[in-house]
This record gives sequence, C-alpha cells and structure tokens, in this order.
Amino acid sequence: GAVVSQHPSRVICKSGTSVKIECRSLDFQATTMFWYRQFPKQSLMLMATSNEGSKATYEQGVEKDKFLINHASLTLSTLTVTSAHPEDSSFYICSASNQDDNTDTQYFGPGTRLTVL
Amino acid sequence: GIQVEQSPPDLILQEGANSTLRCNFSDSVNNLQWFHQNPWGQLINLFYIPSGTKQNGRLSATTVATERYSLLYISSSQTTDSGVYFCAVVTGGGNKLTFGTGTQLKVEL
Repeated sequence: GAVVSQHPSRVICKSGTSVKIECRSLDFQATTMFWYRQFPKQSLMLMATSNEGSKATYEQGVEKDKFLINHASLTLSTLTVTSAHPEDSSFYICSASNQDDNTDTQYFGPGTRLTVL
Repeated sequence: GIQVEQSPPDLILQEGANSTLRCNFSDSVNNLQWFHQNPWGQLINLFYIPSGTKQNGRLSATTVATERYSLLYISSSQTTDSGVYFCAVVTGGGNKLTFGTGTQLKVEL
C-alpha cells in the first residue's frame, strides 16, 4: 500500500515551453500532496503544499505563476512549469499523505527529471 | 526555521560492516522520518519515528526527542544499501517536512 506515481519520469523540452508533471496516489486518498525540488547532490526543498479543492500554498521564494499547481481530486495533483528555462532543470518529486493515516507519514513518488535546453 | 544537520556527509563501507548515521535538529519536532534515496532518485520510507526505537530487519532507528537527535543503524551492510539517507522532520502544528542535509553511503564489495 501507499504507492505514489509520477509521470513523466523524464522530460526534455525547449526553453519557453511549458511542462506538466502528474502525481497520483494509487491506493489511497490524499487531501494533501507536496511538491519538492532537488538539485544534484543536494537535499530536497519543499516548493508548495497542494490541497485538494483549494489553492496551493507556496514556500517563500517560489513563484506561483511559474509553478502552477492543481489538485483536482483526492488522488491527483499536477505541477506545470510554465515558460521553462534552463535554470528550471531539476529533479521534481511529489509526496502524498494518506488522509486515513493519523501519523502524517509522507509517501514519495519516483520523481521527474526535467531538462530544459 | 529549524535546522536539520546529518553526519557524516559521506561514508564508504565494506560489505558486512555496521554503521551509525546521525540526525541533529535545532528545535522540538512532532514527526521524524528516515528515508533512503536509491541511485535512481526514489525515496523509500524507512521509519516514522518521532521518539523511541524501532527495528526493521538490518535497520534500526532511535530518536531522543528531548536531546534533539535521531540515529539510524545499519548492520551487515550490503551493496544495495548504497544511496543517500535523509532524515526529515515536522515542527509546529503543520505537516511540512524539512529535510536534513543527507548522508551519502557507498557500500563496496
């Protein structure tokens, strides 16, 4: 149980295009999902908290118009990197908390490696 | 915000050796998790351990919340244990995880 998937696993795009990344909880419902960014050989940095049916909460320094988050259902959150540039190249990871689990344990997706040319 | 420091930053072991990884945090926490990030980037949950001791096979973890640290023990290490180990904590009334600096582990034959 507690499986989280991400799609795509890897994407290469041209500068100026937009890229959408999907995060799904496969066997549980998640009222809250989280989006992280990880640069090579660094730790994970929280970008935003995605709440089902409401607006996402962004961390300080993260541009909400650049990183659009939609959490339309209890099993799906999407992150859209708009007008991507080479500095947006990174490893993006989502996580989800099982709403029936009172420990708030987060389960992580396999990540999406974005390369912007 | 809370600071989460892990030590050592890098560790090389011979297969079969034991090791202890440490996670220090600067404030009281409600939740602490240990993760293993494999070479492909997948984060694998190891322990949810805000306090006390837990064991799972060759791994065990202890959190001493009053002294603001947690330890992860790996016994009889195997090459498949290689990767980065992160601790992550939740503070205050929310549920946001703050990740530690990580320990890069390499287990050699």
